[in-house]
Amino acid sequence: EVHLLESGGGLVQPGGSLRLSCAASGFTFSSYAMSWVRQAPGKGLEWVSVISGSGGTTYYADSVKGRFIISRDKSKSTLYLQMNSLRVEDTAVYYCAKQSPHSSRYGVWDPWGQGTLVTVSS
Amino acid sequence: DIQMTQSPSTLSASVGDRVTITCRASQSFGSWLAWYQQKPGKAPNLLIYEASSLESGVPSRFSGSGSGTEFTLTISSLQPGDFATYYCQQYNTYPWTFGQGTKVEIK
Repeated sequence: EVHLLESGGGLVQPGGSLRLSCAASGFTFSSYAMSWVRQAPGKGLEWVSVISGSGGTTYYADSVKGRFIISRDKSKSTLYLQMNSLRVEDTAVYYCAKQSPHSSRYGVWDPWGQGTLVTVSS
Repeated sequence: DIQMTQSPSTLSASVGDRVTITCRASQSFGSWLAWYQQKPGKAPNLLIYEASSLESGVPSRFSGSGSGTEFTLTISSLQPGDFATYYCQQYNTYPWTFGQGTKVEIK
């Protein structure tokens, strides 16, 4: 069974940094693209970033480009999101998600982790 | 960016009702659209991909249709576990974008 477990969330001041982790199990980690999607409190879903299975290709939402870095460690089956220059508007639950094996195109996510809350506040 | 607009934002329905949610895109993009269900405090769950393909394990009362700029999610007979928020998402063009969500409430 596929399992994704995020960690690393917490309270950080504006301008600070945080690194999220997503430990994956139950599948061949390097065979699937992985993504981060966030959800501000009481709001909808916002895609943040994606990384290919090999780690060689990444894309970012404009709202985080230049501040966030997505990466993955094949040996640890772990996905990361390094978040720098954090803003109040980055406050959200951050979900990691695995590319669905059924879709013929990147961008369909199944399953998702349970999420980790990041709060940016002074 | 492709803007996704769902309607209605909130829907009140009863168990057994047929429910339809619409998702409209600001640009045409074929069938690269997914639907997710999210219950309070939980992660989203994939229902439909490629606009009309049912994800394995998802009950057949869920169906999707459409292409181009207009898409629909239909629940043929609403069950108690279906009261949740539903999101459409396009994955044709970066940045991938979601609709604002449709909350299905008990009438």
